[in-house]
Amino acid sequence: KQEVTQIPAALSVPEGENLVLNCSFTDSAIYNLQWFRQDPGKGLTSLLLIQSSQREQTSGRLNASLDKSSGRSTLYIAASQPGDSATYLCAINNAGNMLTFGGGTRLMVKP
Amino acid sequence: GAGVSQTPSNKVTEKGKYVELRCDPISGHTALYWYRQSLGQGPEFLIYFQGTGAADDSGLPNDRFFAVRPEGSVSTLKIQRTERGDSAVYLCASSARVFPYNEQFFGPGTRLTVL
Repeated sequence: KQEVTQIPAALSVPEGENLVLNCSFTDSAIYNLQWFRQDPGKGLTSLLLIQSSQREQTSGRLNASLDKSSGRSTLYIAASQPGDSATYLCAINNAGNMLTFGGGTRLMVKP
Repeated sequence: GAGVSQTPSNKVTEKGKYVELRCDPISGHTALYWYRQSLGQGPEFLIYFQGTGAADDSGLPNDRFFAVRPEGSVSTLKIQRTERGDSAVYLCASSARVFPYNEQFFGPGTRLTVL
């Protein structure tokens, strides 16, 4: 059974810092990995999707990497802004359908 | 275009009552998923539809939970004899099912509170 862990559970940084969110998973036989953002009381917004054959994906100030052999993914946020404050969730797709989620990292970017 | 929509956005019910939660996926998406998210945790899978049929219902916690998708579009999650432990946010997602690039898009969720 796939298990997904996100560290840290919470993170507070000053505006402008570059930061890294970590995601680890136990079963490396994945189809893809998605990073999501969730604002309080809202649904999930898909940020990046990395296929199993890829090592990274970039979108604006976001860069996500994937290392299947070590069971790790990182989400890099450059030049953080207060508007980046949210919970970030990592999710693994093992069998081509359901996602297994980590517990999330709550990010606070202080002005 | 329109994203995934869910109704109602909030539902308050009493213990023992029956509730229905509705999901309207992105037009043309053949795959539909239900997840449940408890406070402070990541979502947990409940059930997955491919077209009209439930392809995987292994996440449904017990037989009080049931979901349908009769015409391959809108889905309804049904909970009988609700319990306080059913209180959570119920999320719906859909994907175009272009395997394996089935990026999932989520709705805003229904917050269910069982008193």
